Amino acid sequence: EDKVVQSPLSLVVHEGDTVTLNCSYEVTNFRSLLWYKQEKKAPTFLFMLTSSGIEKKSGRLSSILDKKELFSILNITATQTGDSAIYLCAREGGGADGLTFGKGTHLIIQP
Amino acid sequence: EPEVTQTPSHQVTQMGQEVILRCVPISNHLYFYWYRQILGQKVEFLVSFYNNEISEKSEIFDDQFSVERPDGSNFTLKIRSTKLEDSAMYFCASSVIHNEKLFFGSGTQLSVL
Repeated sequence: EDKVVQSPLSLVVHEGDTVTLNCSYEVTNFRSLLWYKQEKKAPTFLFMLTSSGIEKKSGRLSSILDKKELFSILNITATQTGDSAIYLCAREGGGADGLTFGKGTHLIIQP
Repeated sequence: EPEVTQTPSHQVTQMGQEVILRCVPISNHLYFYWYRQILGQKVEFLVSFYNNEISEKSEIFDDQFSVERPDGSNFTLKIRSTKLEDSAMYFCASSVIHNEKLFFGSGTQLSVL
């Protein structure tokens, strides 16, 4: 059973649109939830969330965690073609399994 | 901005051969990791390393795998006798705090024939 489930698995939108990416996770030993952007190879860090209801923001990207409903969302406003990437959600559970990643959402921004 | 560097970017080997994947973590980071991503699948945790010893390892990290910090800058992953199913992108990562804000390298694409 997957411990981190992301949806949608793929999404195609037009430049300027706003997108919301979803991540639900298993609660066992939860410590934090992280978002990464994977363009060509290396995942690059976006956000780390530990507390419910506190929005983290970086430019056009923002993310929030709901520890009661066990999910997080990543919002991207005014999307640009450079936002095209795979967005990975990962759970840190404090056990001997490092970060547990979801399958990712493949986002394509069309001009 | 500092970055994690990995070499080689591509490695092709024959089944049964030993390979060593190399990484230079960010210099002031204390925690080092190896993850892998089989084509089309999730990024999977292999091992974390702190203070010159393994701190966590997954079920994937069996006896054919080993890690080493041979000097003050390099961090290596050795696969003793490669199998076809070891073909994957192997990512090295490092962080200041355990499992927080990992910086990933660009990966080594390992192909076992």
